[in-house]
Amino acid sequence: QPVLTQPPSASASLGASVTLTCTLSSGYSNYKVNWYQQRPGKGPRFVMRVGTGGIVGSKGDGIPDRFSVLGSGLNRYLTIKNIQEEDESDYHCGADHGSGSNFVWVFGGGTKLTVL
Amino acid sequence: QLQLQESGPGLVKPSETLSLTCTVSGGSISSSNYYWGWIRQPPGKGLEWIGSIYYSGSTYYNPSLKSRVTISIDTSKNQFSLKLNSVTAADTAVYYCAREGLASQNKNWFDPWGQGTLVTVSS
Repeated sequence: QPVLTQPPSASASLGASVTLTCTLSSGYSNYKVNWYQQRPGKGPRFVMRVGTGGIVGSKGDGIPDRFSVLGSGLNRYLTIKNIQEEDESDYHCGADHGSGSNFVWVFGGGTKLTVL
Repeated sequence: QLQLQESGPGLVKPSETLSLTCTVSGGSISSSNYYWGWIRQPPGKGLEWIGSIYYSGSTYYNPSLKSRVTISIDTSKNQFSLKLNSVTAADTAVYYCAREGLASQNKNWFDPWGQGTLVTVSS
């Protein structure tokens, strides 16, 4: 099954842009991942799904247009433009693997985004 | 608007069984379009999927937890439940329930999630 790797932290100034990265382990370059936002003290919230062709399906409810995704090789990116205070959150990526009794969901360790 | 709410004891003794219930409101748990899942997050760590259940009762579990986990569903109450036996301190975590879309519909993600409930394993 794939391993998803995320930097533990990132920071950006108010109004700036930031790109968060989720890296799949070798051999899984065709996998799609889901991005989730988790504000302090809250449950995660689905942002969007991304593959090498970009977004898959639609964004989660209420996700602003400032959020976008790209995929390249083993990397899946979440870019946030014009960062707002409300964007300060933990961001998790997750992927599904396998089928039937071997189906599993795996997640990265999460990236804590600080808005300066 | 669909909402999920976890409930259950916040403290469980080592070697005992952790039991949680997720109550779904604003929609039917009997929909054929979704699974219903449990995910946990140990303090300061990432998310870990525990398992998921379909309205028919069909389940699939994380292989690392499979021997200790049972997920069940009660469509009459619009609830699904988690039991994790033989708990240790390593099972201390915030436990979330969530709706899981189907890969066949290209909606394979968890959305929405409950707010989570902290379960501490300690004597």
